[in-house]
Amino acid sequence: QKEVEQDPGPLSVPEGAIVSLNCTYSNSAFQYFMWYRQYSRKGPELLMYTYSSGNKEDGRFTAQVDKSSKYISLFIRDSQPSDSATYLCAKKDSSNTGKLIFGQGTTLQVKP
Amino acid sequence: SQTIHQWPATLVQPVGSPLSLECTVEGTSNPNLYWYRQAAGRGLQLLFYSVGIGQISSEVPQNLSASRPQDRQFILSSKKLLLSDSGFYLCAWGGVGNTEAFFGQGTRLTVV
Repeated sequence: QKEVEQDPGPLSVPEGAIVSLNCTYSNSAFQYFMWYRQYSRKGPELLMYTYSSGNKEDGRFTAQVDKSSKYISLFIRDSQPSDSATYLCAKKDSSNTGKLIFGQGTTLQVKP
Repeated sequence: SQTIHQWPATLVQPVGSPLSLECTVEGTSNPNLYWYRQAAGRGLQLLFYSVGIGQISSEVPQNLSASRPQDRQFILSSKKLLLSDSGFYLCAWGGVGNTEAFFGQGTRLTVV
């Protein structure tokens, strides 16, 4: 079992839809989580970072962590075509060296 | 503000040729530095990380090596490239507390 699992999709939604992206993890050590957005042929861009259970909002984006079920989610409200990208979830490695363990990434397409 | 530079953006190399990819960080001191590789449609795999000058840790056995000759310079090398070395190579530095990572724009390497 991979330490961080993510459905690769692809996921296609109409413009304006609410998007839900999900990951599960297996190791409860160092429960710091990140969501990255990666446009085609570009480096990943940090979207959100959280370590608390519950929700964290930033504009149209909400990161949610459920530590009891080891489940993390990213919600995108009022999705736009410019949101079309691959979304990567990541968890801090238990070695405390700053290494990150990534999910496979979910490819999202928002259709106008 | 901190910035990370990675070059070249694309590279096509014949099998058996050497490789040198360079990454530099500006605006921070003594950062943790990382090299990741991303295969097509896959998540990111950590190759090397460094917590200081001359300190390199390898995550997976492979045909590559890394060096850190200066505080903010990280180099990925190979003496003889294999076809399996093709991929998208990303350099990253660790943020405050080394919790999240910030990525460069990547080098797309094709070994032919």
